[in-house]
Amino acid sequence: DAEITQSPRHKITETGRQVTLACHQTWNHNNMFWYRQDLGHGLRLIHYSYGVQDTNKGEVSDGYSVSRSNTEDLPLTLESAASSQTSVYFCASSESWDTQYFGPGTRLTVL
Amino acid sequence: AQTVTQSQPEMSVQEAETVTLSCTYDTSESDYYLFWYKQPPSRQMILVIRQEAYKQQNATENRFSVNFQKAAKSFSLKISDSQLGDAAMYFCAYRSAFSGNLFFGTGTRLTVIP
Repeated sequence: DAEITQSPRHKITETGRQVTLACHQTWNHNNMFWYRQDLGHGLRLIHYSYGVQDTNKGEVSDGYSVSRSNTEDLPLTLESAASSQTSVYFCASSESWDTQYFGPGTRLTVL
Repeated sequence: AQTVTQSQPEMSVQEAETVTLSCTYDTSESDYYLFWYKQPPSRQMILVIRQEAYKQQNATENRFSVNFQKAAKSFSLKISDSQLGDAAMYFCAYRSAFSGNLFFGTGTRLTVIP
């Protein structure tokens, strides 16, 4: 069955380190998204991509970057991790602008 | 950016009873989509129901239905015959017809009492 996966599921890192969270989908969806989830804020959009080589900033993009070199993957990089980036991160994908399907999430702790 | 408001941080319902979760949104667009997602303790985001703004008929999925009031910008979720497995966080979300981006509310935690 087609699916969307995220790795790692849990990550603990230190302030200032570079961290990359992986997202992989097998639906061949053009659109991929990264969100963070924090108490009191719901899910907020970090970055998104509408196709290979396309990337765009979302609502809370500072301190994050993405690159899209193929259809299946959209890795999220924290260039220099900060404690404010402790959160749960969700990747999602969709065909065209249809319903988004979410991965299982990655819990990131920055100490 | 569009805003989505869920004014009920927590709700509870007796098993087998009906509960309604509220959601309002702010937009100047006329063509858009609305969603309810469920997030159980496993953290997985699961689509419950979606509504196209151009459709007057309210969407229904088994025990889940919506009351879509476009003029009032209101989109409530009704869960009938509540089950223990319905206990979760529920998020309302908005998407413009011209963009793939979702805007979420802050969520409502639903407890189902046996």
